[in-house]
Amino acid sequence: RKEVEQDPGPFNVPEGATVAFNCTYSNSASQSFFWYRQDCRKEPKLLMSVYSSGNEDGRFTAQLNRASQYISLLIRDSKLSDSATYLCVLYGNKLVFGAGTILRVKS
Amino acid sequence: DAGVIQSPRHEVTEMGQEVTLRCKPISGHNSLFWYRQTMMRGLELLIYFNNNVPIDDSGMPEDRFSAKMPNASFSTLKIQPSEPRDSAVYFCASSPPGAGTGYTFGSGTRLTVV
Repeated sequence: RKEVEQDPGPFNVPEGATVAFNCTYSNSASQSFFWYRQDCRKEPKLLMSVYSSGNEDGRFTAQLNRASQYISLLIRDSKLSDSATYLCVLYGNKLVFGAGTILRVKS
Repeated sequence: DAGVIQSPRHEVTEMGQEVTLRCKPISGHNSLFWYRQTMMRGLELLIYFNNNVPIDDSGMPEDRFSAKMPNASFSTLKIQPSEPRDSAVYFCASSPPGAGTGYTFGSGTRLTVV
């Protein structure tokens, strides 16, 4: 079983839509969690950390459920510029990346 | 802050040749990571250094791959001899002290072995 599992998508949504991604992980000892964003042919960039209490950054909301071992990312009011691959990442003693979920926002 | 600097950006080489990828981490960052990304396998951690010391090289595919970090501001990843299956994007990333902090990635080196 992979350490981090994500639905590869693609998720095709219209502008203004709300879209949610989930990610499950197998290592219950993981300490920290992140969402990264990767644009086509670019490097991954940190989008936001994920906390058990849930955290919000503008249109983005991240949530962690340790009991069920999954994290989520919610994007409200999608923009064309949100089109990218979203990587679920966990940290034990090093960062482990999921394979990513492709989001395509269409006008 | 110049960020993590990698060179070259692109490398095309013939099978059997030696390839050296270079990385300059962000000043003050004490951890450095080498990742490889392919469509089939996603992002894979090859090796990471903490305070210039290799900590975990379990991701290095085989003996053809080697990495060094002679000082806090420079690291190399070498493939000798290179093979077509080594074609991938190789990313270097660095992070500051403190567990669980996000990494900053360089722009990557796109390696093609023909």
